[in-house]
Formats: sequence, C-alpha cells, structure tokens
Amino acid sequence: GDSVTQMEGPVTLSEEAFLTINCTYTATGYPSLFWYVQYPGEGLQLLLKATKADDKGSNKGFEATYRKETTSFHLEKGSVQVSDSAVYFCALLNAGNNRKLIWGLGTSLAVNP
Amino acid sequence: DSGVTQTPKHLITATGQRVTLRCSPRSGDLSVYWYQQSLDQGLQFLIHYYNGEERAKGNILERFSAQQFPDLHSELNLSSLELGDSALYFCASSVVSRWGTGELFFGEGSRLTVL
Repeated sequence: GDSVTQMEGPVTLSEEAFLTINCTYTATGYPSLFWYVQYPGEGLQLLLKATKADDKGSNKGFEATYRKETTSFHLEKGSVQVSDSAVYFCALLNAGNNRKLIWGLGTSLAVNP
Repeated sequence: DSGVTQTPKHLITATGQRVTLRCSPRSGDLSVYWYQQSLDQGLQFLIHYYNGEERAKGNILERFSAQQFPDLHSELNLSSLELGDSALYFCASSVVSRWGTGELFFGEGSRLTVL
C-alpha cells in the first residue's frame, strides 16, 4: 500500500542554519503531497503542498519540490529561526476512489538561538 | 485559529470509564476526521465522516465510536478506557469535498489522561 517515510528526528540546528527534512513516498498513480507543521501545544496546520510532478510548494520561507523520479518531497529552508521549532509531518493523498491522507511519523525540529 | 473547536481541552479519568470528545468543524466544512496522537504510535487516523455519514475507518478500536450530527458537529466516544488510551485526540475538518483534498484544518486537540 501507499506509504510515507520521513527522516527520524530530533533534528537540532542553530539559528540561521540550513534545514532539510527528507520525505520519500511509495504510491500508485499520482498522489498529492503535503507538509504539515505542529507547533508546541497546537494542532497541525498545512504548511505547503504540491499536486503534480515538478510542482514546488512554498510558504513562510519553506520549500518542497515534488520529484516523481526519486519519489521524494524534501522540505527545505535556507535560514531557520527559533520560531520554526516544531514537528513536521509529510503526507500524501492517494489517488483513486479511496482517497485518504497517508502520514509520515513526523520529524521534530529544535532550533537553538 | 483554524476555526475548528474541540472540547474539552484536557480530561483526566480512570480506567474503565467512558468519555465523549466533541468537535465543531469550520463553518461550511462537511468532512470531519478524528486522529489519535501518542508518543509511541505517532498520528493515527481513526475515522472520517462526511455530511453525517461514515466515509472511512482507520485504526479505530471497537471500544471507540463516533458520529456526526445534522448540525455537522461530531463526537468521539471512548469507552472501557485503558491506560494505553491516554493520548491527544485531534479533530480536523476539510473543505466541501466528498473525497477530500488533503487540506485539513485541525483543532487544538483534547488531551486524555487515563489513570
């Protein structure tokens, strides 16, 4: 079945460092891909999405490109801030009649000043 | 503020008891999803309702049940509670779409502690 694999955390970075959180997927057809973020004490919120191959989603300085050839959707940010400390979830919406979100396990990011 | 409201925010109860968690979706959203988040299991999809009808079931135990009412609010009932049921329970709603777009709006969650 469809699945999402994220790099294990926690990831600890200093402020202004470059961030990459890897996400790869297995899916039939052409899924849509998402990154959600969960700040401490809050629910998840959509960070960015991409609906077809080579699409780039971006928001709040974060970017991710839908790479069908490598089945990846890695999250990047050029310069992280302390306020980016959160848990990041990669997810896919599978195609077909049984559309549902398939979630990764989440990657915790801690940014130190 | 996502527009999704969950009550109660915190709940402490004993093993064997029953609790009800409530969710009000964003105005106009017909789909409601319930998720369980725990440290060891991550984010687990429980159930999805669309306009009052059950659309999909995930890893929901038989001791758990849910329903969506005509006013579109939803309730998750957890019975015969066990220590392992302690978790954060999230409700999410989505834009009007029978099959879902993947864009979910989450509430702040209900933290259940079973002692």
